[in-house]
Amino acid sequence: QQKVQQSPESLIVPEGGMASLNCTSSDRNVDYFWWYRQHSGKSPKMLMSIFSNGEKEEGRFTVHLNKASLHTSLHIRDSQPSDSALYLCAASRTGGYKVVFGSGTRLLVSP
Amino acid sequence: NAGVIQTPRHKVTGKGQEATLWCEPISGHSAVFWYRQTIVQGLEFLTYFRNQAPIDDSGMPKERFSAQMPNQSHSTLKIQSTQPQDSAVYLCASSTTGGLYEQYFGPGTRLTVL
Repeated sequence: QQKVQQSPESLIVPEGGMASLNCTSSDRNVDYFWWYRQHSGKSPKMLMSIFSNGEKEEGRFTVHLNKASLHTSLHIRDSQPSDSALYLCAASRTGGYKVVFGSGTRLLVSP
Repeated sequence: NAGVIQTPRHKVTGKGQEATLWCEPISGHSAVFWYRQTIVQGLEFLTYFRNQAPIDDSGMPKERFSAQMPNQSHSTLKIQSTQPQDSAVYLCASSTTGGLYEQYFGPGTRLTVL
């Protein structure tokens, strides 16, 4: 059964610091990765997606993907208290429909 | 665009009672997913509809859970004989197609079984 492993489980970074989150899929047929952010009491909302090897940057957020190792990472620079949330990594296969979510990394940005 | 609508937002049932949860996907979206989220298990896939047809219910506890999508504007998740372990936030999500596009989640229904 396909699994998506995220690390660390929780992370505390100071305001203005860099947060780095990791995600690996056990399914060699996975081609698509997403990062969702879920603030406390809210529903998940997509943050970024990446389908090709390399790096993608949107504002303070950068996502890396290494398809050979099925590993993706999310980096948040200049972290803000509003970035405190549960970050969920998700993966799916080409032509597939099922998106498998990891258990998440809980990020706390301390003022 | 109101986004995905879920009702009720909170539901409290007694053990053994039935619970029906409603989801209205974003207009034009052909894919509807149901998930269950708990602190312990995280976000678990329950079932998936495409163009109203049930495609995959592999995540559904077989005996007491059922889902339907009678028309393109709503889906229901029914739990019979609810048990305390069914307590969770049930999330509905829709997308323009299956796994290749962003899923838009509703606000969820928090089910508490006493």
